[in-house]
Amino acid sequence: QKEVEQDPGPLSVPEGAIVSLNCTYSNSAFQYFMWYRQYSRKGPELLMYTYSSGNKEDGRFTAQVDKSSKYISLFIRDSQPSDSATYLCAMAPSGYALNFGKGTSLLVTP
Amino acid sequence: GAVVSQHPSWVICKSGTSVKIECRSLDFQATTMFWYRQFPKQSLMLMATSNEGSKATYEQGVEKDKFLINHASLTLSTLTVTSAHPEDSSFYICSARPMGRGGVTGELFFGEGSRLTVL
Repeated sequence: QKEVEQDPGPLSVPEGAIVSLNCTYSNSAFQYFMWYRQYSRKGPELLMYTYSSGNKEDGRFTAQVDKSSKYISLFIRDSQPSDSATYLCAMAPSGYALNFGKGTSLLVTP
Repeated sequence: GAVVSQHPSWVICKSGTSVKIECRSLDFQATTMFWYRQFPKQSLMLMATSNEGSKATYEQGVEKDKFLINHASLTLSTLTVTSAHPEDSSFYICSARPMGRGGVTGELFFGEGSRLTVL
């Protein structure tokens, strides 16, 4: 079993919809949780960073971490076509080594 | 956010040749940089951790003699793929953490990636 599981999609939603992206993990030592957005043929861009459990909101993006269920989510409100990209979850116990999910491909249609 | 630049962004080479990819932190210093490889529709796989002034630390299964890493300054790390073969064709991405942010693993900034195609 991989340490980080993420449904690769693709996920297609109409513009304005609320998008829910999720990852599950198996390593209870993970404490740092991140979401990256990656456009085609580009490097990942950090969107959200959360330490331990709880919610974090930044504009249209909300990240949630449920350590008891080993489950993290990223919500995108009022989705836009420009949000179309691959979203990668990443997590780490401490230090530097990030464990990435495979990424979920999102398409927001006008 | 901090800017990490990679060069070249796309390179095509013949089998058996060596290719060097540069990773620069443009507006911050980084004692540690990381090199990842990403195959199509796959996750990022950490290849090695590059430490300024010392030898790189390679992940299990990564050939250190094939993927030479040099971190000569606080703003530059290079990855050289030696004697490249078609199976080395991939998207190589570097990342860096600004100095002074020890345990804050979230603040890791990525370069734009370098796509290597070996014919």
